[in-house]
Amino acid sequence: DTAVSQTPKYLVTQMGNDKSIKCEQNLGHDTMYWYKQDSKKFLKIMFSYNNKELIINETVPNRFSPKSPDKAHLNLHINSLELGDSAVYFCASSQGGFTGELFFGEGSRLTVL
Amino acid sequence: AQSVTQPDIHITVSEGASLELRCNYSYGATPYLFWYVQSPGQGLQLLLKYFSGDTLVQGIKGFEAEFKRSQSSFNLRKPSVHWSDAAEYFCAVVADSWGKLQFGAGTQVVVTP
Repeated sequence: DTAVSQTPKYLVTQMGNDKSIKCEQNLGHDTMYWYKQDSKKFLKIMFSYNNKELIINETVPNRFSPKSPDKAHLNLHINSLELGDSAVYFCASSQGGFTGELFFGEGSRLTVL
Repeated sequence: AQSVTQPDIHITVSEGASLELRCNYSYGATPYLFWYVQSPGQGLQLLLKYFSGDTLVQGIKGFEAEFKRSQSSFNLRKPSVHWSDAAEYFCAVVADSWGKLQFGAGTQVVVTP
C-alpha cells in the first residue's frame, strides 16, 4: 500500500497549457509539501500545508496554485505552463510536530514542449 | 540563512570499498541535520538524522554520520558499499520553525564492480 502517491507520474504538455498533479498520503500525517527538483537534481520547497492550511509559500510564480481539500490530499495546479516549469515535482508528508522525516512520493516528471 | 554545502558533485567507488560523503552546514544554533537518498526514478528516503546528543548517528542500510560542530560538518559514511548504494545523496538542514528542509545540491554515487 503506497504511503505517498502522486498522479500522473509523467506529464508531457505544450507551453501555455494548464495541468494538475495530485497527491495523496495514507500515513495520517498532518503536513504535506511540494518540492521541485530541476534538471541538476536541485531540490527546492514550493509549498507546505498543515491540516489544510498553507504554512510555507516560497517565492513561486502565482501560476502555481496548491490546494488541500483535506489533510490527506495536496494537489498542485499550474497555469500557463512555461518551458522552465519542466522538472520533477515531489509531494511529501510528515507528522505534525516536525520530526525531520519527510515521506516522499515517487515524483511527477513534467515536460513542457 | 541556514544552508548546506555538498562539495562533491560526483563520487565513484568500487564495490566493497568505503564511502564518505561530505556535508558542511551554515547555521547559528545547533542544527537539525539529515541525510536522504534518492535511488534512480524514485523519491527520497531518510537515511538518518541528527537533532542532539551522541554525535555519531546510525542510520538505515549500514550508513552512519558524524556531527562535528567545530568543522560545521555532518559527513556520511559506509564501511563497505554495495552496488545497490548507487544513488543520489542529499544532506539537508531544517531552515525554519515549520520544519522546512534546505537541501544541498546532492552527491551522485556510482559503484563500480
